[in-house]
Amino acid sequence: DARVTQTPRHKVTEMGQEVTMRCQPILGHNTVFWYRQTMMQGLELLAYFRNRAPLDDSGMPKDRFSAEMPDATLATLKIQPSEPRDSAVYFCASGLERAGSNEQFFGPGTRLTVL
Amino acid sequence: AQSVAQPEDQVNVAEGNPLTVKCTYSVSGNPYLFWYVQYPNRGLQFLLKYITGDNLVKGSYGFEAEFNKSQTSFHLKKPSALVSDSALYFCAVRDPLADKLIFGTGTRLQVFP
Repeated sequence: DARVTQTPRHKVTEMGQEVTMRCQPILGHNTVFWYRQTMMQGLELLAYFRNRAPLDDSGMPKDRFSAEMPDATLATLKIQPSEPRDSAVYFCASGLERAGSNEQFFGPGTRLTVL
Repeated sequence: AQSVAQPEDQVNVAEGNPLTVKCTYSVSGNPYLFWYVQYPNRGLQFLLKYITGDNLVKGSYGFEAEFNKSQTSFHLKKPSALVSDSALYFCAVRDPLADKLIFGTGTRLQVFP
């Protein structure tokens, strides 16, 4: 049963600290997406990759957020320095891009609280 | 620009009654449309999609959705609601120029016993 995994599931940190969230996409998938979900803003796309190349990170605050795919089995989202307004649930999703099929498989999320 | 609208923040329905969760879309070209469900403290789960073909699409857990091109709608339906269907439902449309999905704001479905 292939699944997207995310670590950590919960993270509490203090303002100014660095936060790194990790995602393992489903083996064989070639697209990876990072989303942020809050009550106020709903579900926002932060960045996405195809074949490990970043295609769109326009939804991400560039001064403090960075997203990378060091290899096909790992995607990371880093916040440095973190701020209380970054508190949210961060989801990773992966998919296999082919004509007409954009089904995305979501991980369980990382719940981030910045104090 | 591509977009979807979910006009209802919440839908309440009694168990056993039919349910409808509304979605309208705006897209250039042929739309690729999706429904996802999110249970509490979980990630989104794929329910169904419309790419081409029959306007009535059947998906997981007894859900179906009807694509209506003239009304630019893709409403989610189920003939008989269950309490366990209570969750947050998202409609999404694919950006035709990219891999990404554009999600609606979500509709909370509450099914009462």
